[in-house]
Amino acid sequence: EPEVTQTPSHQVTQMGQEVILRCVPISNHLYFYWYRQILGQKVEFLVSFYNNEISEKSEIFDDQFSVERPDGSNFTLKIRSTKLEDSAMYFCASSHLAGVLNEQFFGPGTRLTVL
Amino acid sequence: QKEVEQDPGPLSVPEGAIVSLNCTYSNSAFQYFMWYRQYSRKGPELLMYTYSSGNKEDGRFTAQVDKSSKYISLFIRDSQPSDSATYLCAMSGRSSASKIIFGSGTRLSIRP
Repeated sequence: EPEVTQTPSHQVTQMGQEVILRCVPISNHLYFYWYRQILGQKVEFLVSFYNNEISEKSEIFDDQFSVERPDGSNFTLKIRSTKLEDSAMYFCASSHLAGVLNEQFFGPGTRLTVL
Repeated sequence: QKEVEQDPGPLSVPEGAIVSLNCTYSNSAFQYFMWYRQYSRKGPELLMYTYSSGNKEDGRFTAQVDKSSKYISLFIRDSQPSDSATYLCAMSGRSSASKIIFGSGTRLSIRP
């Protein structure tokens, strides 16, 4: 069964460093998303991406964040200068259709720890 | 008022019991109502969805939506220890690539 994959599973970085989180969405999916979940808190929407551009972004997704689909398979989230409060699980999701239920398939997540 | 409210639990019930999980919401624009299951250190997995008001049944699981009360429920019949997980209610609008708004999740434990 096709699934969303994410690498790395755990990333530890120093405050102020740049990190890139990688995702491989399901191959025929057209819509891509990033969510994050701070420990003990709810899953929060960050950004959606379609047709090589951002469709929607939340208030959390400020200028420190960017997304890219550098090739036909990967979808990346970059945090330019990490802060302590960026420590969280980051989930990538993808979906195929719009207009009907937009079932989003989630990856296993990348745990980001900022020291 | 929070957009989606969900009792975080934890909720512990004996095997075989009927479990009732609930959420309330405030945004009338929500059209799709979903329940996700999340195991520890894993991504959310879609369990059930309902469009607008009504009920939907899938095996031991029943989802209910009451848009007039802005209240959604998930019932689990004949609960099993393997049902132990965190259950997230979730909602979205109807536009393309709609973001999902999640509840905080209810941690459920089924005792053998």
